[in-house]
Amino acid sequence: DGGITQSPKYLFRKEGQNVTLSCEQNLNHDAMYWYRQDPGQGLRLIYYSQIVNDFQKGDIAEGYSVSREKKESFPLTVTSAQKNPTAFYLCASSVGPGALHFGNGTRLTVT
Amino acid sequence: AQTVTQSQPEMSVQEAETVTLSCTYDTSESDYYLFWYKQPPSRQMILVIRQEAYKQQNATENRFSVNFQKAAKSFSLKISDSQLGDAAMYFCAYSHLNSGYALNFGKGTSLLVTP
Repeated sequence: DGGITQSPKYLFRKEGQNVTLSCEQNLNHDAMYWYRQDPGQGLRLIYYSQIVNDFQKGDIAEGYSVSREKKESFPLTVTSAQKNPTAFYLCASSVGPGALHFGNGTRLTVT
Repeated sequence: AQTVTQSQPEMSVQEAETVTLSCTYDTSESDYYLFWYKQPPSRQMILVIRQEAYKQQNATENRFSVNFQKAAKSFSLKISDSQLGDAAMYFCAYSHLNSGYALNFGKGTSLLVTP
């Protein structure tokens, strides 16, 4: 089955530690995206990538970093510089102007 | 930057009735895409309906239809014959080539369906 896999579903980290969220897709989509969701807020764009080895900042990129070394993979690193990292993170992919296909998300808790 | 506004944080509808969720957006572009997504308690994002701005005809998907008013920059979602399974957060979203077709979301409307 084609789809987007985010792992793990729940992630716990201590404050001051970097943490990497995994996102893998087997849909052969060129574009991939990372969103953050907080209570009472819509989804906010962190980073997106339209092709391998290229990515652009979204609206809230500060404190985050990404890489796109393979078409299938778009990992997100939440660095210690991110002031409020506890949130629900969603990865998505798409081809052209079509609708985004989303993964099931990762709930990150930093204490 | 484009903004998407959903002015109804919560809505309620009785089973089998019809409900309309509102969405307005701000853009200076003429060619763009609009979407409604549903997010049930599982938090999975599910595409409900999609509209291309160049198409005058309103999109429909079974019980779901939109009222797309391009001049007014309005994109409302109508759910007919509401079912208990329709209860969820509904997000309106906008996309354009300039941002790699990334979706710009509104803050969402929580829909409650009562028996």
